[in-house]
Formats: sequence, C-alpha cells, structure tokens
Amino acid sequence: QQQVKQSPQSLIVQKGGISIINCAYENTAFDYFPWYQQFPGKGPALLIAIRPDVSEKKEGRFTISFNKSAKQFSLHIMDSQPGDSATYFCAASMGSGGYQKVTFGTGTKLQVIP
Amino acid sequence: DAGVTQSPTHLIKTRGQQVTLRCSPKSGHDTVSWYQQALGQGPQFIFQYYEEEERQRGNFPDRFSGHQFPNYSSELNVNALLLGDSALYLCASSRQGAGNTIYFGEGSWLTVV
Repeated sequence: QQQVKQSPQSLIVQKGGISIINCAYENTAFDYFPWYQQFPGKGPALLIAIRPDVSEKKEGRFTISFNKSAKQFSLHIMDSQPGDSATYFCAASMGSGGYQKVTFGTGTKLQVIP
Repeated sequence: DAGVTQSPTHLIKTRGQQVTLRCSPKSGHDTVSWYQQALGQGPQFIFQYYEEEERQRGNFPDRFSGHQFPNYSSELNVNALLLGDSALYLCASSRQGAGNTIYFGEGSWLTVV
C-alpha cells in the first residue's frame, strides 16, 4: 500500500530555474513531513521538514508548501544549481520522539543542467 | 562527532545463505531503525529497536530479525536469502524525546546471487 505518492519520477531543470516536486499522503495520522536528499552511493540526508500546523517553511533556497485539507505537500528548490542534482524523497511519519516509522515516497531524480 | 556507521559497505551472498549487517548509532542516540532500499525505490521500514527490544515492525517476513546491544549498536540478520533481498540496507538512529529527526548511515549494499 503506497501511503505517500510522489511525482514526478524524474525532473530536468536548467541552472537558476525552480524545481518543484509534489507529494500526496493518505493517512491523516501523519504529523511530520520531512524531505530527504540522496546522492548516489550515500544514505538519505534530511533536507527540510514541516508539521501540518504550518502551511509553509523556508530554509535558504528550499521551501515546503503544505496543504492539510488536500493532504498534499511540495518541495520548491529556487535558483537550482548543478550541485542539487540528486534524488529527493518526500516522507511522512507519526509518533513522538524516537517512536516513529518513516514512510517514504518513491523518489524524484533531479538533474540540473548548466 | 561520528555519525551513523554501518558495516560492511558491500557484500555478496549466495541464495539461501544468511547475512548479518551492523550499525553504530550517532553519539547520544538510543533508537535504531533499519530500512531496505531497492534500486530506484524509496526506503522501506523494516523495524525499530529501543532499549534492546523491537518496538515497531514493517511488512517484512520473519526471515528478517534484529538485535540491539546495551551500547545501542544494532544488527540486522536476514536468513534464507532470496534474490529479491538484494538492496541497500540503511540504518537510522534517533534519540527518544528529542524530536522527529532521524539520521541515516551510508548503508550496506547486499547482492544476492
């Protein structure tokens, strides 16, 4: 059962452009929504995260937009750079502290071309 | 401050064999989770250990088992390996009561032939 759906599967953006990745979830019990960045041969690294009581969170060039009623959230990468080329995973989890199970989307492979 | 460390980084096993993967959590962390990431897919939750007990489990068969030691390090064991078990196995650590952030290791690449 796919509880977090992610699109697109792949994305090509020119340097300086905006990269947008979308996710949708089903379980309303999820209360934490992180985004992970993964480079080839590496483990996922936390990029930015949001809770459902906030509609937007911005950290540098990365912004999460969250629509609780639609059960959707998205990642925007402003001024995309070739170094941003990686696979991005949205995720959702529930539970407090360490008692949580993270459910990942299927990933978006981003390529930023000069 | 060492992050999450995993060993071995790569290994090849034959179908039907058993494998043990090891993980040391980030300093100060007491909770370890294991994930399986097939090629081109997102990580799938296997199970989570805290206080040396399995606290949560994902949709994986009993062939997958684990252990947590008093120093919080952990092992993942997979018995009767199948070709479909070929994947990147990721360990993640966190600390109880310290929010939701979990940190992943670089993973162990398992190839079953």
